[in-house]
Amino acid sequence: NAGVTQTPKFQVLKTGQSMTLQCAQDMNHEYMSWYRQDPGMGLRLIHYSVGAGITDQGEVPNGYNVSRSTTEDFPLRLLSAAPSQTSVYFCASSSGQARSSGNTIYFGEGSWLTVV
Amino acid sequence: GNSVTQMEGPVTLSEEAFLTINCTYTATGYPSLFWYVQYPGEGLQLLLKATKADDKGSNKGFEATYRKETTSFHLEKGSVQVSDSAVYFCALKSSGNTGKLIFGQGTTLQVKP
Repeated sequence: NAGVTQTPKFQVLKTGQSMTLQCAQDMNHEYMSWYRQDPGMGLRLIHYSVGAGITDQGEVPNGYNVSRSTTEDFPLRLLSAAPSQTSVYFCASSSGQARSSGNTIYFGEGSWLTVV
Repeated sequence: GNSVTQMEGPVTLSEEAFLTINCTYTATGYPSLFWYVQYPGEGLQLLLKATKADDKGSNKGFEATYRKETTSFHLEKGSVQVSDSAVYFCALKSSGNTGKLIFGQGTTLQVKP
């Protein structure tokens, strides 16, 4: 099973460049989200989606854009990269159904982004 | 608002030592609680979870009990191995299936042979 797939795994950007981090899941999950991981701060929620066509902001949304045109895909766009966006990014998904297995949130392997 | 606090690291132990990583939380209602592990250079893996008070999650020799009276979910292992060296994250999902997690800051564990 592929689970949650993120690409690219590593990326170096110059300040001001834009790029898209891709995220796809093959579990037919309704909920998808993006987190960033920074030293000493754990993971912080950037944006999330509860279904196709529905997105909302998390704790740290500035400088990022998302869309959810299909259930499977949830890309994260950096509009104009800044050094403060150097981080590790994780995509996650989970089922929207109210059963115990729906409590499990699955993560991708992460995308290491450096902005110089 | 909801929050998770973990003990600060790094935690350095000798092989076969007993491990405790403290985690406390603040939340309304009845959250679900999780421990995730991140091995060097890898992504997050779910280690264990508990969805209601007094539940005990366990996996790979690790255990954590959901204590509502002390709002805690401490991670324990009786005998750590070098291969357990990783960063451990405590996380909370508020009641209702929102698909969103609130993480603690992470605790780095280093186990020396």
